[in-house]
Amino acid sequence: SQQGEEDPQALSIQEGENATMNCSYKTSINNLQWYRQNSGRGLVHLILIRSNEREKHSGRLRVTLDTSKKSSSLLITASRAADTASYFCATDNQGNNRLAFGKGNQVVVIP
Amino acid sequence: DGGITQSPKYLFRKEGQNVTLSCEQNLNHDAMYWYRQDPGQGLRLIYYSQIVNDFQKGDIAEGYSVSREKKESFPLTVTSAQKNPTAFYLCASSIQLSLAGDRDTQYFGPGTRLTVL
Repeated sequence: SQQGEEDPQALSIQEGENATMNCSYKTSINNLQWYRQNSGRGLVHLILIRSNEREKHSGRLRVTLDTSKKSSSLLITASRAADTASYFCATDNQGNNRLAFGKGNQVVVIP
Repeated sequence: DGGITQSPKYLFRKEGQNVTLSCEQNLNHDAMYWYRQDPGQGLRLIYYSQIVNDFQKGDIAEGYSVSREKKESFPLTVTSAQKNPTAFYLCASSIQLSLAGDRDTQYFGPGTRLTVL
């Protein structure tokens, strides 16, 4: 079943601006992962944050995790047109041996 | 798309026909997965396999079947019992568990777009 729910669903920004997406989940997790999908392509893993971590960085990406609120955010700084894609969060739930994906966030970066 | 391939990229099927989608990986991963993605939607798990000769149903297994005879291969058959098979199908693989004991990242193939005529 789908657990991760991203918010907002669609985001349109100017190149150079920051883009922030949120993901909420319902049950306890081992880790939370963010993936990116370009139109008509497979998903590409971006970053994984474990339940005992609060923040993680990878290049222009910053992910936070608040297990008390059961939510995570993905920040893309200094966005580029090439960042235009859909972004999905996925949770590795405790006691469940698979990932649960959210419905995705479509981000459009206008040059 | 890493070391995981799917074929064909586009597939057309007449109603009542079974079709098989191929998924191969050379990453030496134990676990493999099949997802279905409908327009504007997230991924829904069809079947997954954690080890050769073993697989489990996901959330939407009805009308689908799989086999896992080799570590590298996890083909998906869409049967005529699947009522609405037109969708984008994604295969993925991962190490069974990371060193930390949790689910590791998944590597996805490029997908197969199936259209029923």
